[in-house]
Amino acid sequence: SQQGEEDPQALSIQEGENATMNCSYKTSINNLQWYRQNSGRGLVHLILIRSNEREKHSGRLRVTLDTSKKSSSLLITASRAADTASYFCATGVYTGANSKLTFGKGITLSVRP
Amino acid sequence: EAGVTQSPTHLIKTRGQQATLRCSPISGHTSVYWYQQALGLGLQFLLWYDEGEERNRGNFPPRFSGRQFPNYSSELNVNALELEDSALYLCASSVGQQETQYFGPGTRLLVL
Repeated sequence: SQQGEEDPQALSIQEGENATMNCSYKTSINNLQWYRQNSGRGLVHLILIRSNEREKHSGRLRVTLDTSKKSSSLLITASRAADTASYFCATGVYTGANSKLTFGKGITLSVRP
Repeated sequence: EAGVTQSPTHLIKTRGQQATLRCSPISGHTSVYWYQQALGLGLQFLLWYDEGEERNRGNFPPRFSGRQFPNYSSELNVNALELEDSALYLCASSVGQQETQYFGPGTRLLVL
């Protein structure tokens, strides 16, 4: 089963509103990363948060990590039409030979002008 | 600084043929990762190479293989292509195992 699962699967908001996306996972992790993908192209890295961090900011993005609840959230403030994309959370587990980054299925965000 | 590059952009093959996909990492990155993104299935981890060695592989059959060259570029080979191999294949690179992975634009493989 997927390590990271995003919620909701799809989100539609008006330009200027905030968008909140959630990610839950099952096992202990070393880090969690959020990515954006536009129209089936390559992924763009947004933020990496390590397991000993609780919150990180980057421009209009705010990511939180709650390791006790095994969950993370991505907040995009003052959304723009250009934020329309698919957003993925990816959990990094690095334990020797089985080290890898596992992606969720993604959230489709639509920002209406 | 150049990003991760992949070639070709698109590839059309018929069932049973072989496909070769190429990836050049960001300068200074020694780790290269391959992912498959099939419609509706999200990104599935395929392979991880570091310093020329295969370090981990995902749950894919042996007909998916690859290698990493001394200049850290990488090749993904898919033998005996099947229709369900049609997907976007993404390559990523990182400076270290636990660091950010930077992705290339992908190769879209269509198997007819």
